[in-house]
Amino acid sequence: QKEVEQDPGPLSVPEGAIVSLNCTYSNSAFQYFMWYRQYSRKGPELLMYTYSSGNKEDGRFTAQVDKSSKYISLFIRDSQPSDSATYLCATRRVNFNKFYFGSGTKLNVKP
Amino acid sequence: DVKVTQSSRYLVKRTGEKVFLECVQDMDHENMFWYRQDPGLGLRLIYFSYDVKMKEKGDIPEGYSVSREKKERFSLILESASTNQTSMYLCASSLKGGRAPNEQFFGPGTRLTVL
Repeated sequence: QKEVEQDPGPLSVPEGAIVSLNCTYSNSAFQYFMWYRQYSRKGPELLMYTYSSGNKEDGRFTAQVDKSSKYISLFIRDSQPSDSATYLCATRRVNFNKFYFGSGTKLNVKP
Repeated sequence: DVKVTQSSRYLVKRTGEKVFLECVQDMDHENMFWYRQDPGLGLRLIYFSYDVKMKEKGDIPEGYSVSREKKERFSLILESASTNQTSMYLCASSLKGGRAPNEQFFGPGTRLTVL
């Protein structure tokens, strides 16, 4: 079993839609949860991170972690064509250097 | 502006060749990582280094080696390239693990094709 599982998509939505991207993880020791965005032919860039459980909001983006069900979510409100990218979830343990990445979900927002 | 640079964006090599991929970061980060990214498989860790001359195997080290002689530079070596090593290779760096998320900063990637 992989440490982090993510639906690869692709996910295609119309502009303005609410997008929900999800991951599950297996190790209850994971404490940091991150979302990376990767545009075509570029390296991933950190979009948001949360520590332990709870929500974090940044503009149109909300990251949510439910540690009881080991579920990580990213919500995008009022999606824009510029949000079209691959989104990767990632997690790691405190005091450990290694990150565990999901396989990425490719999102296409149609104008 | 923080930066991770990789020596080539595109590389074409022949089976059996020795291949060097170079990565340089200017953020004084202790940790450096090499991943390969394949469709449906996501990012897979090949090797990482947490200090100069230190290295640890990741999930798929077979067929690869690494070198870290200076803090800012981390090299990935394919000893004898094979067609199944055709992939996108991504380098990343981060501060040492701790209570902060210690974001990994990624380079733009090297698309390697082995013929």
